[in-house]
Amino acid sequence: GEDVEQSLFLSVREGDSSVINCTYTDSSSTYLYWYKQEPGAGLQLLTYIFSNMDMKQDQRLTVLLNKKDKHLSLRIADTQTGDSAIYFCAEGAAGNKLTFGGGTRVLVKP
Amino acid sequence: DAMVIQNPRYQVTQFGKPVTLSCSQTLNHNVMYWYQQKSSQAPKLLFHYYDKDFNNEADTPDNFQSRRPNTSFCFLDIRSPGLGDAAMYLCAGRNGLQEKLFFGSGTQLSVL
Repeated sequence: GEDVEQSLFLSVREGDSSVINCTYTDSSSTYLYWYKQEPGAGLQLLTYIFSNMDMKQDQRLTVLLNKKDKHLSLRIADTQTGDSAIYFCAEGAAGNKLTFGGGTRVLVKP
Repeated sequence: DAMVIQNPRYQVTQFGKPVTLSCSQTLNHNVMYWYQQKSSQAPKLLFHYYDKDFNNEADTPDNFQSRRPNTSFCFLDIRSPGLGDAAMYLCAGRNGLQEKLFFGSGTQLSVL
């Protein structure tokens, strides 16, 4: 079955870049996603990438996809205190369910 | 963007007392999902509707049921909540084969 793995925790200083990593096992994944969850809230879609792309940039966010190694990363430039949250990567195919990783808790220190 | 609205934001129920969580969406998403998320864990899919077709995950307990009376509304019924069912319940919607899945703000369920 599908499996999505993430590191548990990342600490970063305000203004630095954050890089959150994710690995997945399902080679048939069509899309890969990054969601942000703040305490007690739902999941906010940050960005997503189609599996035939290797990079996508959206303002401060850069997604890198290595399909051969099934490795996905999210880079947040100029990390702010408001970026402190749990970040989930997820994989799936269009129209189908998503499988989520366990989430990476990002703590931004001033 | 799509609006997925969950009510209530917080729900408290008693052990064994049936409870219903509500979800609505405003952009005619034909696919709707219910996820369960326990503290510090990944969201876990319980079931989803593709139009009127109900799709249950194999490991979803029978205690959890769902209804979708129309395109806009979807309900999660927990027939006899146990202490282990305390969690955040997330509803999500998607339009057909599009890639974006939008979540509501969730209902935090407590079982006393």
